[in-house]
Amino acid sequence: SQQGEEDPQALSIQEGENATMNCSYKTSINNLQWYRQNSGRGLVHLILIRSNEREKHSGRLRVTLDTSKKSSSLLITASRAADTASYFCASKNTGGFKTIFGAGTRLFVKA
Amino acid sequence: DAGVIQSPRHEVTEMGQEVTLRCKPISGHDYLFWYRQTMMRGLELLIYFNNNVPIDDSGMPEDRFSAKMPNASFSTLKIQPSEPRDSAVYFCASSTSAGSTDTQYFGPGTRLTVL
Repeated sequence: SQQGEEDPQALSIQEGENATMNCSYKTSINNLQWYRQNSGRGLVHLILIRSNEREKHSGRLRVTLDTSKKSSSLLITASRAADTASYFCASKNTGGFKTIFGAGTRLFVKA
Repeated sequence: DAGVIQSPRHEVTEMGQEVTLRCKPISGHDYLFWYRQTMMRGLELLIYFNNNVPIDDSGMPEDRFSAKMPNASFSTLKIQPSEPRDSAVYFCASSTSAGSTDTQYFGPGTRLTVL
């Protein structure tokens, strides 16, 4: 399979709560990215973390990377209804330009 | 910049017909990617180009699929003959090797329905 694995597959929370999504990948990577996809739209890049970084922040987003476990997590704090979307992790393998996308987590934030 | 442009946005065709999807990448980007997205298989990379040259087409499902990039501002993905199982949303994305950001910019997609 081309895909990495993400969990949960779906997540439903109340507005104001935090949302955490996890991603695992299979090979050594140069970097890992998170993308968001609103219904009926293309993917939009959110944040990139390099293999030598452990944590990165951007606004309400916090990404962690554990290369020993080949896993990453995306935390969205103080979620809003507008955060409702699918979230994908994408890992770029070392030595290549191929980016492998995970299966995605569908997040639903209830107002 | 208008971003990645794809056409048509929606395509409905009958089994056996030829389908051509089009993509205009962001000006100055030297990588172009074609993806297919379905509920069952998620987002699959079909093929990608660097400087108009196909680099990896291992994701192309079968010989019915072909992709070309005749110049830096245009690419096509062709399916001939089309089958109902080809129904999916097809995305084109582009990126630049400058700055090593690896960020891919996606188009709005073409929703293909093969009857």
